[in-house]
Amino acid sequence: DTAVSQTPKYLVTQMGNDKSIKCEQNLGHDTMYWYKQDSKKFLKIMFSYNNKELIINETVPNRFSPKSPDKAHLNLHINSLELGDSAVYFCASRGSSPYEQYFGPGTRLTVT
Amino acid sequence: DQQVKQNSPSLSVQEGRISILNCDYTNSMFDYFLWYKKYPAEGPTFLISISSIKDKNEDGRFTVFLNKSAKHLSLHIVPSQPGDSAVYFCAASALRGSQGNLIFGKGTKLSVKP
Repeated sequence: DTAVSQTPKYLVTQMGNDKSIKCEQNLGHDTMYWYKQDSKKFLKIMFSYNNKELIINETVPNRFSPKSPDKAHLNLHINSLELGDSAVYFCASRGSSPYEQYFGPGTRLTVT
Repeated sequence: DQQVKQNSPSLSVQEGRISILNCDYTNSMFDYFLWYKKYPAEGPTFLISISSIKDKNEDGRFTVFLNKSAKHLSLHIVPSQPGDSAVYFCAASALRGSQGNLIFGKGTKLSVKP
């Protein structure tokens, strides 16, 4: 069983489009995250959700919006895609441990 | 401003020898440090961690050392195996006020040659 899954794995789209990436975790964790790994390979946190409440937003453009329909899902919606949005996006979740996070396989987004 | 730095982008080691991956940090508020391992086309997976109240943590072939005065930690893999070839990320967290937010380094690509 996959603990944290993301769909799609690859996403190629044109500038200006709106797209979504889905994330699901079956670990029963309370907190979920979205990270962006850019071309320089840095993994940077974008959002986290705890019990459906946004608790971190690291200066991410408001074109990006996380949506959590329930505790097991945290989807990422991106409006008006730009070339600079091309990156690998990782979903993660955290349980009772305050530090250890479990990552999904990533979604490689390419904006042309 | 990089709070967590991994200055070696790559490391090549012979199978059976020791691999030493290094990590430096600048934020003295960090109280927990983690190492993650990442294979191509997969997400990072948790490997080992250490609290700031300790200077060493060991788990099988993996040992993490923390030198708080130098703001430096290292991951030792002994003996190294070809399956250890991956990108290793150092991460740090300051639980107070950060909700467990992890700050990652840029990663070091380890190649273990048979």
